[in-house]
Amino acid sequence: DVKVTQSSRYLVKRTGEKVFLECVQDMDHENMFWYRQDPGLGLRLIYFSYDVKMKEKGDIPEGYSVSREKKERFSLILESASTNQTSMYLCASSSGPSHRKDTQYFGPGTRLTVL
Amino acid sequence: GEDVEQSLFLSVREGDSSVINCTYTDSSSTYLYWYKQEPGAGLQLLTYIFSNMDMKQDQRLTVLLNKKDKHLSLRIADTQTGDSAIYFCAEWGANTDKLIFGTGTRLQVFP
Repeated sequence: DVKVTQSSRYLVKRTGEKVFLECVQDMDHENMFWYRQDPGLGLRLIYFSYDVKMKEKGDIPEGYSVSREKKERFSLILESASTNQTSMYLCASSSGPSHRKDTQYFGPGTRLTVL
Repeated sequence: GEDVEQSLFLSVREGDSSVINCTYTDSSSTYLYWYKQEPGAGLQLLTYIFSNMDMKQDQRLTVLLNKKDKHLSLRIADTQTGDSAIYFCAEWGANTDKLIFGTGTRLQVFP
């Protein structure tokens, strides 16, 4: 079974703090994704990566950055957390050459609260 | 831009069938997915259908696709309390090269 793990299930941070969310997958997948999930808005893509050291902006990249130094690990960084970044963050990975359409496998999510 | 819409809530009695509906706007839509999210968990792929199919059945799950109306549905037969979750429809279109998720439908099953 594909396993995608996220470093924290719950996180509470203060406005202005730098926040790191970590995601690790164990299936040697090329593609990794970060989404945020908000009630009534579904999932929105923040950033994705289709190879080590590669990254592409999703639909809502503002206020976020990412890092992919190793194939299995994809980090989401909030440079200066703000209250409107309070959300559920979901990491996903997929294999295959089409980084958009291949089946994505999700981690359990990190619920981030920014005070 | 392209859009995927779902109703937000559905409530059914245990043992009845549930039908969760989804509409999309991307005419190039090629792959359509149903994901399930249980409380406190990530999304789990339930099933998917290619746009050249109009039906797919997998045990209690039946997916129907009406490509002309851009309408996708997920039917769960003999719904159980363990089916209570949020169900997300998602579609990928060749023209947009984007996987777009709907807002999710919260299914509540009561005894």
